[in-house]
Amino acid sequence: QITLKESGPTLVKPTQTLTLTCTFSGFSLSTSGVGVGWIRQPPEKALQWLALFYWDDDKRYRPSLESRLTITKDTSKNQVVLTMTNMDPVDTATYYCVLGRRRESCSGGRCYYFEHWGQGTLVTVSS
Amino acid sequence: QPVLTQPPSASGTPGQRVTISCSGSSSNIGRETVIWYQQLPGMAPKLLIYNNNQRPTGVPDRFSGSKSGTSASLAISGLQSEDEADYYCSTWGDSLNGWVFGGGTKLTVL
Repeated sequence: QITLKESGPTLVKPTQTLTLTCTFSGFSLSTSGVGVGWIRQPPEKALQWLALFYWDDDKRYRPSLESRLTITKDTSKNQVVLTMTNMDPVDTATYYCVLGRRRESCSGGRCYYFEHWGQGTLVTVSS
Repeated sequence: QPVLTQPPSASGTPGQRVTISCSGSSSNIGRETVIWYQQLPGMAPKLLIYNNNQRPTGVPDRFSGSKSGTSASLAISGLQSEDEADYYCSTWGDSLNGWVFGGGTKLTVL
């Protein structure tokens, strides 16, 4: 059974750095064609992809946020960590950890869909 | 602003067939496969359709996807009350160099 669970602060102050941890089970991030990433959803708004850590240690970030984002993995703990610097109230959102899976007969970082989602964690940015 | 365009709402009565559209461009839907997610009220999104028309294990065949040119559609037949949810389309966007989403369609079962 595949599970992903987000953990981290529920409230951060403007300009602070957010650190979110995704702890997963039921799969290995070393398996070809797998990735673990983050997608967020501001209240009552649409989904927004943020970052993806691929099985081969490649990483991809949302270009407009790339300067603020860092995604890393801890293989021994089955965790992927996302840090976002200089938080602003507009970053208030539910942050989801996702398992990305590469579709068949396709190669390249673009070929992924998000097969499993964590329950999400609401992060509020306010002073 | 979402890159993909979806109608904000849709509705149908139990047993009816409804479709939800998703419009993009040559730099996203026009050259990539489409994914659909279902988000039940208060829940995390769930994968519904991938590769334009493939259903993950456990998704009823009442749900089907299609793509033509720069647009895609999700069809739900035999509508049930538990289908009331938000539905999002997604694909790879060359302009973003990442995954793009539609604004979501809120489906109401009357």
